[in-house]
Amino acid sequence: LAKTTQPISMDSYEGQEVNITCSHNNIATNDYITWYQQFPSQGPRFIIQGYKTKVTNEVASLFIPADRKSSTLSLPRVSLSDTAVYYCLVGDGGKLIFGQGTELSVKP
Amino acid sequence: DTAVSQTPKYLVTQMGNDKSIKCEQNLGHDTMYWYKQDSKKFLKIMFSYNNKELIINETVPNRFSPKSPDKAHLNLHINSLELGDSAVYFCASSQDLAAHRSYEQYFGPGTRLTVT
Repeated sequence: LAKTTQPISMDSYEGQEVNITCSHNNIATNDYITWYQQFPSQGPRFIIQGYKTKVTNEVASLFIPADRKSSTLSLPRVSLSDTAVYYCLVGDGGKLIFGQGTELSVKP
Repeated sequence: DTAVSQTPKYLVTQMGNDKSIKCEQNLGHDTMYWYKQDSKKFLKIMFSYNNKELIINETVPNRFSPKSPDKAHLNLHINSLELGDSAVYFCASSQDLAAHRSYEQYFGPGTRLTVT
């Protein structure tokens, strides 16, 4: 059973790059790594997904090393509106394991 | 148009009652899920249905019973509600889980259940 570990919280300032790492030691061979963003009183929202190496979209980048036992979500030049909880999700044999979430606080 | 909708948004009820939460998705997805988010913000999957068939059934009390009348709907019925059931329940949907093993899920707005 995969276990995922994320930092509980992080602080940043507007305009900085933020990197949030998730550890997932027992990820299954065919499973993807997905990151979600959640604002208060809303459902989680998909940010980015990857299998290996690097993936980039209009809002974030995802770095996955060759052993796939961790992944790093990179948010370039954060703004106040990026204050939220960020979750990583991996599958393990059909089970879906969310990390405990990282509460990111962006300050002016 | 709301992609994944849930009703009700808030539900306050007493211990011992039976209640249902409804979920509908208009994305044409094959897989739907129910999650429970507790006060510490942990997100835990409860059930997953693919084309009306149960795929994932985590260890939850059998007081919780999902029902999928068609692939666009996945309702959650809870019998004999307990204080510990108080949480936010999220419905979600995704493309075929088995085919791609990818988990780009679309979540509903959540139902905040309070048991008194």
